[in-house]
Amino acid sequence: RKEVEQDPGPFNVPEGATVAFNCTYSNSASQSFFWYRQDCRKEPKLLMSVYSSGNEDGRFTAQLNRASQYISLLIRDSKLSDSATYLCVVQSQGAQKLVFGQGTRLTINP
Amino acid sequence: DADVTQTPRNRITKTGKRIMLECSQTKGHDRMYWYRQDPGLGLRLIYYSFDVKDINKGEISDGYSVSRQAQAKFSLSLESAIPNQTALYFCATSDFRQREGTDTQYFGPGTRLTVL
Repeated sequence: RKEVEQDPGPFNVPEGATVAFNCTYSNSASQSFFWYRQDCRKEPKLLMSVYSSGNEDGRFTAQLNRASQYISLLIRDSKLSDSATYLCVVQSQGAQKLVFGQGTRLTINP
Repeated sequence: DADVTQTPRNRITKTGKRIMLECSQTKGHDRMYWYRQDPGLGLRLIYYSFDVKDINKGEISDGYSVSRQAQAKFSLSLESAIPNQTALYFCATSDFRQREGTDTQYFGPGTRLTVL
């Protein structure tokens, strides 16, 4: 079983729609969680960290469910520029390195 | 100027050749990493280094070696390239902050390597 699993998609949604991704992780000792965004043929970039209480950054909301070992990313009022691959990333305390999911590809259609 | 640079950006080579990929950073971070990315597999860690004297194997280090020449430089070598090492390679740095519990990684633009 992969340590971090995501639905690879692709997700195709119309502009303005709300879209949500989930990601599951297998290591219960995981302590830090992130969403990275990767545009086609570009490097990954940090989108947001995910905190236990959930957090919001504009149209983006991230949530963590430790009991079920999953994290989620919600994008509201999606824009064409949101088209990208979204990477779920997990870090275990003490491991001091990140484990990346395979990514979920999102395409926003006009 | 980019904070994390990689050279070359693209390379085509033949089986058995020795290849070196170079990474430089101006962010002043101690931690540096090498990943490879393959379709459907995501990013996988090859090697990482937490300071100049520290080198650690990642999950897929076989067939690769690294050198941390300075805080700002971390190079990846393929001693004898093989076709299944064809991939997109990323270098990254991170700024580990224990109090905040954060370790944001900053990636270079990537090197696309093809081994024929």
